[in-house]
Amino acid sequence: KQEVTQIPAALSVPEGENLVLNCSFTDSAIYNLQWFRQDPGKGLTSLLLIQSSQREQTSGRLNASLDKSSGRSTLYIAASQPGDSATYLCAVVADYGGSQGNLIFGKGTKLSVKP
Amino acid sequence: DGGITQSPKYLFRKEGQNVTLSCEQNLNHDAMYWYRQDPGQGLRLIYYSQIVNDFQKGDIAEGYSVSREKKESFPLTVTSAQKNPTAFYLCASSMQGFDQPQHFGDGTRLSIL
Repeated sequence: KQEVTQIPAALSVPEGENLVLNCSFTDSAIYNLQWFRQDPGKGLTSLLLIQSSQREQTSGRLNASLDKSSGRSTLYIAASQPGDSATYLCAVVADYGGSQGNLIFGKGTKLSVKP
Repeated sequence: DGGITQSPKYLFRKEGQNVTLSCEQNLNHDAMYWYRQDPGQGLRLIYYSQIVNDFQKGDIAEGYSVSREKKESFPLTVTSAQKNPTAFYLCASSMQGFDQPQHFGDGTRLSIL
């Protein structure tokens, strides 16, 4: 059964710092991996989607990488700002069995960027 | 603007009562999904629908029911059989195909009176 793990569970950094959020998954049979942002009491905002054939995607100050063989993805945030404070969720789309095509989520990393 | 609308934002349920959460999308997406989120937990799939008049159980479907009579709408009913319904419920939609990103609404928070 596919499991997604995000480390650390919480992270506090000073403004301006570059940071990396980690995501690991147990089964490399995935269609894609998606990173989301969630503000308190709100829904999810899609940040980046990496297809299984891709190695990375970039959007502004965000860069996400994917290493399917090792079951890892990282979300790199450059020059962090207080407005980046949120919970970041990683999810994979399973490529097998009864869960095929469905998103499987990690528990998230809660990021706090201090001014 | 295209998007997903969930209503109400807050909902309260009495013991033994069924309640229905609304989800409407104007993105012309074929697929729709319902997730449950508990504090400190990732999202868990309740039900999903790839096409009108068809839906499938997710990982935690017990105590929930859905319908998909229109492409734009995918309401979720939390029945009295769901013994621990207090949670944040999120609806999502996507184009057909496993490689398509899912887009989410702003959620409904359900509490027990």
